[in-house]
Amino acid sequence: GAGVSQTPSNKVTEKGKYVELRCDPISGHTALYWYRQSLGQGPEFLIYFQGTGAADDSGLPNDRFFAVRPEGSVSTLKIQRTERGDSAVYLCASSLQGALYNEQFFGPGTRLTVL
Amino acid sequence: AQSVTQPDIHITVSEGASLELRCNYSYGATPYLFWYVQSPGQGLQLLLKYFSGDTLVQGIKGFEAEFKRSQSSFNLRKPSVHWSDAAEYFCAVGESGGADGLTFGKGTHLIIQP
Repeated sequence: GAGVSQTPSNKVTEKGKYVELRCDPISGHTALYWYRQSLGQGPEFLIYFQGTGAADDSGLPNDRFFAVRPEGSVSTLKIQRTERGDSAVYLCASSLQGALYNEQFFGPGTRLTVL
Repeated sequence: AQSVTQPDIHITVSEGASLELRCNYSYGATPYLFWYVQSPGQGLQLLLKYFSGDTLVQGIKGFEAEFKRSQSSFNLRKPSVHWSDAAEYFCAVGESGGADGLTFGKGTHLIIQP
């Protein structure tokens, strides 16, 4: 079956612009996670959705970052007033239910470059 | 707060040789522990996980890992590596019973020499 997909695969933007990154989870997965992976680092947790609600957004670095999942499936990560330090690969993962014994399946990521 | 340390940034191993990648974690209770592999252009793939029970866990692609509570370690091993094992390996920890995101180490880059 289809895995987690993310679009676009690459996004280049200018400092100060607004960007949206999309994640399509595996069908039927109720839990969805966003991570950010900077160069030479491991993924860093940003936000976790259970269904439509953000169960844990403690990893969002500041209020320029926001994510939604209005129908409990597709999620969009939104970044306002982008900064060069936001450049990274943004990873999305989904799991059957929001418990760690359920495997998180990761998408290929969106590489964001802020010039 | 939980944390993960992977002390080796790069490791070079000859094809056919054995492999051990180190992982140390910091967490108050019994953690959930994971090893993921990331190949160029590929998403992260789960190799194995430990929640409880037998401290030696078997994973995919011939990998295994051993949980040692006394050493706060969860090292990944493979008896004989193949050129296709060249990749980035990440150890991660999660809160037992929790549903939050994982905390990852910085990764170990595995290079396979012919």
